[in-house]
Amino acid sequence: DQQVKQNSPSLSVQEGRISILNCDYTNSMFDYFLWYKKYPAEGPTFLISISSIKDKNEDGRFTVFLNKSAKHLSLHIVPSQPGDSAVYFCAASPDSNYQLIWGAGTKLIIKP
Amino acid sequence: DTGVSQDPRHKITKRGQNVTFRCDPISEHNRLYWYRQTLGQGPEFLTYFQNEAQLEKSRLLSDRFSAERPKGSFSTLEIQRTEQGDSAMYLCASSLALSKGLTKNIQYFGAGTRLSVL
Repeated sequence: DQQVKQNSPSLSVQEGRISILNCDYTNSMFDYFLWYKKYPAEGPTFLISISSIKDKNEDGRFTVFLNKSAKHLSLHIVPSQPGDSAVYFCAASPDSNYQLIWGAGTKLIIKP
Repeated sequence: DTGVSQDPRHKITKRGQNVTFRCDPISEHNRLYWYRQTLGQGPEFLTYFQNEAQLEKSRLLSDRFSAERPKGSFSTLEIQRTEQGDSAMYLCASSLALSKGLTKNIQYFGAGTRLSVL
C-alpha cells in the first residue's frame, strides 16, 4: 500500500518555464511534508517543507502548495534552470511519528 | 563538519557473506536514520536512533540486519548471510530533534553505500 504517490516518473520542461511536480497521499494523519532533490551518486538533499496548518510555503524559486482536502501537494519551480535537472522526492511524516514515508520520485529534465 | 558521511561507497559481496556499513552523522545531530533504496523507488525506512537508543525498527529489518549506535555518534548497519535481494543503496540520514513539537524532521542524507550481492 503506497501511502505517498508520485504518478509522473519523469517530466521535461523548457529552461525558464515553470516546473510543476505533483504528489498525492492517502494517510490523513500526515502532518508534515517535505521535498527532496537527488542527483546521481548523491544522497537526497532537502529542498522545502510544509506543515499541515499551512497551504503554501515559498523559498526563492521553490513554492510548495498543500491541498489537504484533496490530499495533494505540488512543488513549483520558477524559473526552471538546467541545474534543477534531478530526481525529486516527496516525503511525508505521520502525526507524532518521525518516520518519513517517501514517494517513488519524479525525474525532472530541464531542456536548454 | 562536511555533512553525513558513509563508508564504503560501494560494496560487492558474495551471497552468504556478512557486510557492515558505517555512518557518521552531522556532529550535533542526535537522531540517525537508516533507509534502503532500490532502483525506481523512494527510500524505505529501516530504523532510527535517538542518541544511542534504537527507537523504531521497520518490518523490513529482518533478523539478519542489525544496527548499532554505541556512543550516540557514528552508527553501523550489519547484514548477515547476505542474499541477492539485499542488493540496494543503503542511505543514512541525521537530524536534530529539539523537543516534541519543535522537531521539523529535516533529515540530512549521506551519499549512501551501494551494495551488490552476487
